[in-house]
Amino acid sequence: DGGITQSPKYLFRKEGQNVTLSCEQNLNHDAMYWYRQDPGQGLRLIYYSQIVNDFQKGDIAEGYSVSREKKESFPLTVTSAQKNPTAFYLCASSIPTGGTPLHFGNGTRLTVT
Amino acid sequence: EDQVTQSPEALRLQEGESSSLNCSYTVSGLRGLFWYRQDPGKGPEFLFTLYSAGEEKEKERLKATLTKKESFLHITAPKPEDSATYLCAVQAGYGQNFVFGPGTRLSVLP
Repeated sequence: DGGITQSPKYLFRKEGQNVTLSCEQNLNHDAMYWYRQDPGQGLRLIYYSQIVNDFQKGDIAEGYSVSREKKESFPLTVTSAQKNPTAFYLCASSIPTGGTPLHFGNGTRLTVT
Repeated sequence: EDQVTQSPEALRLQEGESSSLNCSYTVSGLRGLFWYRQDPGKGPEFLFTLYSAGEEKEKERLKATLTKKESFLHITAPKPEDSATYLCAVQAGYGQNFVFGPGTRLSVLP
């Protein structure tokens, strides 16, 4: 079955450490996205990529970095510069045509202490 | 600025008690309105896309409708397994950005 795989499901890190969240898709979608979900708030866009080797900042990109070296993969690095990194992170993909839905992975819950 | 609000924030229903969830939006150039279901600790699961006012989509006990300013998700005779958070999102303009509402947390009691 086609889908999006995020790993790990849970991640614990100490303050000051960088951490990388994995996202792999086999839907053959060109566009991939990273969202952050906090309680009581809508999903907020961190970064998105419409094609390999190209990506754009979303609304809350500060303290995060991404790469898109392969169509299937879009890893997110949470750097030590991110002031409040504890959150639920969701990766999504889509066909980059207006009006087509996002398809989501099952998320990574990151806890930084 | 594109905005999406959802109401109520939380809703508790008895099994079989029908109700509706609201999604109000302000966007320039709607390209699509999307409904998702999200279970705790999981990613959102796509339910419906609506494109223009007057459009309706149905799936089992769920029916989504769209006007120029809002969308409703009607739940008919809900069951406990319908308990989840329901998210609404819009895509507007020419970019790839989606704007999400905060969701409605639905609990259906047996």
